[in-house]
Formats: sequence, structure tokens, C-alpha cells
Amino acid sequence: EPEVTQTPSHQVTQMGQEVILRCVPISNHLYFYWYRQILGQKVEFLVSFYNNEISEKSEIFDDQFSVERPDGSNFTLKIRSTKLEDSAMYFCASSESRGALSGANVLTFGAGSRLTVL
Amino acid sequence: TQLLEQSPQFLSIQEGENLTVYCNSSSVFSSLQWYRQEPGEGPVLLVTVVTGGEVKKLKRLTFQFGDARKDSSLHITAAQPGDTGLYLCKNGQNFVFGPGTRLSVLP
Repeated sequence: EPEVTQTPSHQVTQMGQEVILRCVPISNHLYFYWYRQILGQKVEFLVSFYNNEISEKSEIFDDQFSVERPDGSNFTLKIRSTKLEDSAMYFCASSESRGALSGANVLTFGAGSRLTVL
Repeated sequence: TQLLEQSPQFLSIQEGENLTVYCNSSSVFSSLQWYRQEPGEGPVLLVTVVTGGEVKKLKRLTFQFGDARKDSSLHITAAQPGDTGLYLCKNGQNFVFGPGTRLSVLP
């Protein structure tokens, strides 16, 4: 069964450093997403990406964050100048459609990348 | 902006018990999805409901969509430890999840 793969599974970084989290979405999916989950808390939407540009973003997704699809397969989340409060699980997801026509967008999630900022 | 509420926030039960968790919205859903997130993994879609009053069953899980399409319930019969996880509802048309119900089923 097709799956979304994320690397690294765990990254430890020093406060102020930049990190890049990588995702390989399902190959025929057109919509890509990043979510964040602080330990024990809710799954928070960060950003959606379609046709090589951001389609929606939350208040969390400020100038510290950026996303990119540098080639035909990878989808990356860059976090500049990391802070202690950026420590969380970051989930990538992809979907085949936006859901407007089909009635719902079905998100397939990766297993997540755990970011620890010291 | 649609606000999603889920209740209860936490639920700890013994294996074999039945339970119901709820999702409520401040506005009408065009469609509603339930996801389950097991510890250490990403959320996985359980079901999508579209029609008001719709009931869907997935083995021991029964999903009901409210007639007015502003609420939904998930009922689990004879819960098992494998049902442990975070149950999330989501508007099928956007990207925002509810806060979730964290279920723990003890053997």
C-alpha cells in the first residue's frame, strides 16, 4: 500500500539552528500538508501546498517556517532559528484531491519526524 | 471560522466496556471525517460521513452523523487495548482537526 515517508525520524538540534524535515508524499497525490503535534497535545495544521505554492497556512506558520518541493518527489519543511517551543512531532500528509468535488479530502499521513530543540 | 469540540478530552476504560465519543461544531459540516492516531504514528482515516443522519459501521465502531450535520458520535462496542489512541474529527473540506479524545483501554 502506498505510504508517505518522512525523514529523519528523530532530530536533535540546538536552539537557533536551522532544520529541514523531509517528506516523500504518495506519488499520484497533488496536495501536501505539514502538521505539528506537541507531545500529548492536539494535531495542529501548519500549511497546505498545491501546484508548487502554499494554498493555505495557519497562524503558527510564520516567517520562521518555509516549505518547498525541490524536485518531483520531496516535500520539505524548513524551520529557521529553532526555539525550544518548536520541539514537537511534525507530520507530513498528502491527498489526491482537495475534496471540494469529491466531498472530502482524505489525508494520508507519514509516521512523523520528532524534533527536539535543546 | 468553524470551531470543533470533542468530548470527553480523556477516557480510560477497561477492556470489554462500551464507549461513545463526540464531535461538535459551531457550523454545518459538508462532510465529516474520523481519524485515529495510535501512539507513535500519524493519524489514519477511519470513516467519512456525508449525509445528515448517516450511520456507518466499521467492525466494532459505529459512526453517526447528526441530522443537522453539526455533530457526530463514535461508539465503540467491547473496547480492546488495540483501540487505544487519539480519536480526531475533521471537516472533510478543510485541514483542521478537532482537539481529539484520548482513549486508553486497559487490559
